[in-house]
Amino acid sequence: DQQVKQNSPSLSVQEGRISILNCDYTNSMFDYFLWYKKYPAEGPTFLISISSIKDKNEDGRFTVFLNKSAKHLSLHIVPSQPGDSAVYFCAASETGQGAQKLVFGQGTRLTINP
Amino acid sequence: NAGVTQTPKFQVLKTGQSMTLQCAQDMNHNSMYWYRQDPGMGLRLIYYSASEGTTDKGEVPNGYNVSRLNKREFSLRLESAAPSQTSVYFCASSEQGGSYNEQFFGPGTRLTVL
Repeated sequence: DQQVKQNSPSLSVQEGRISILNCDYTNSMFDYFLWYKKYPAEGPTFLISISSIKDKNEDGRFTVFLNKSAKHLSLHIVPSQPGDSAVYFCAASETGQGAQKLVFGQGTRLTINP
Repeated sequence: NAGVTQTPKFQVLKTGQSMTLQCAQDMNHNSMYWYRQDPGMGLRLIYYSASEGTTDKGEVPNGYNVSRLNKREFSLRLESAAPSQTSVYFCASSEQGGSYNEQFFGPGTRLTVL
């Protein structure tokens, strides 16, 4: 039972255009959502997060949108740059449990074409 | 600041052998985590330690044991390795579990069990 799903295994975008990565979740108890970026042979690095009390969070070129009623979040990268080519994971957690147990999606491989 | 460090980087085991994966963090974080990453499945939580002196099972704990040696170090032990444990293992830490904060990941250990 996959509680967090990223249905697109890969995405290819032209440099300078917008990249939109999508993520769906099923557990309505999740209240904190994160995006991680991963390069080959490295650990995931934190990109941006959003709590369930917000519907948008912005950090430079990265914006995360949360639609609680649809149980859907998306990551927008604009403009896309070649260094953005990586695998992106969305993750969700239920706070107040004494530990932050992240549940990850399968990942989306983003390729930015020059 | 080295962040989260893991040793070894690579390991090949034969079925039935045992080994311990080491993890240390220098960020004075309270919580530490072990994940495994398999192709097409994202990262899955094996065990976690919300604070020094406590450990708990995650989503996929079977075949593993952990030790929170002190605040800095959290080790993962495979007592009798099986081919199904071939994976990339990531250790992570966060300031505090159960709150809105991100986890920081180590570079990973690539384990092959023959």
